[in-house]
Amino acid sequence: QVTVKESGPALVRPTQTLTLTCTLSAFYLTKRGVRVSWIRQPPGRALEWLARIDWDDDKFYSPSLRTRLTISKDTSRNQVVLTMTNVDPADTATYYCSTINHWGQGTLVTVSS
Amino acid sequence: DIQMTQSPSTLSASVGDRVTITCRASQNISSWLAWYQQKPGAPPTLLIYKASRLETGVPSRFAGSESGTKFTLTVSSLQPDDFATYYCQQYTTFSPWTFGQGTKVEVK
Repeated sequence: QVTVKESGPALVRPTQTLTLTCTLSAFYLTKRGVRVSWIRQPPGRALEWLARIDWDDDKFYSPSLRTRLTISKDTSRNQVVLTMTNVDPADTATYYCSTINHWGQGTLVTVSS
Repeated sequence: DIQMTQSPSTLSASVGDRVTITCRASQNISSWLAWYQQKPGAPPTLLIYKASRLETGVPSRFAGSESGTKFTLTVSSLQPDDFATYYCQQYTTFSPWTFGQGTKVEVK
């Protein structure tokens, strides 16, 4: 059974870099066709797609956040990592990792001084 | 980049109603369209993928269809458990993905 779990800091200071980790179980990041995304949802607002990494290491980013995001994968640990630089209170949100049909429960990140 | 325009933003309905939500893509997405249901405090759950394919375990009252760049989610007979927010998402192969703005289905 595939499981997805996000982890990261609950609180980040403005201008710092946020690093989030997605750990997948019973799932192979190098299997052809596999694509893993990060999505966020500010409190009370809509889903926003952030970034994606494919089985062949292709990477895609939201045009509006492209300059601040980096996505990578560690196949030995079955993890996908997202970094976001220069965070702002507007980045406060629940961050989800997803394979389309499998989602984690999300991790709430608050940006505040 | 591909934009998804979802409507309506809010829909008031009663149990037993037939409900329709629409998403329009700004360009051809070749059926790479998913529909999700989200309830407060929970992650989205996949209902429909490839525009019209029902995810395993999803009730058959949910159906997806497409006509060109217009995609529709229909709930044939709304049940109490269906009051939630619904999102479309395009997931084409060689571009960033995007969600629609969401549709909240509320009690009339």
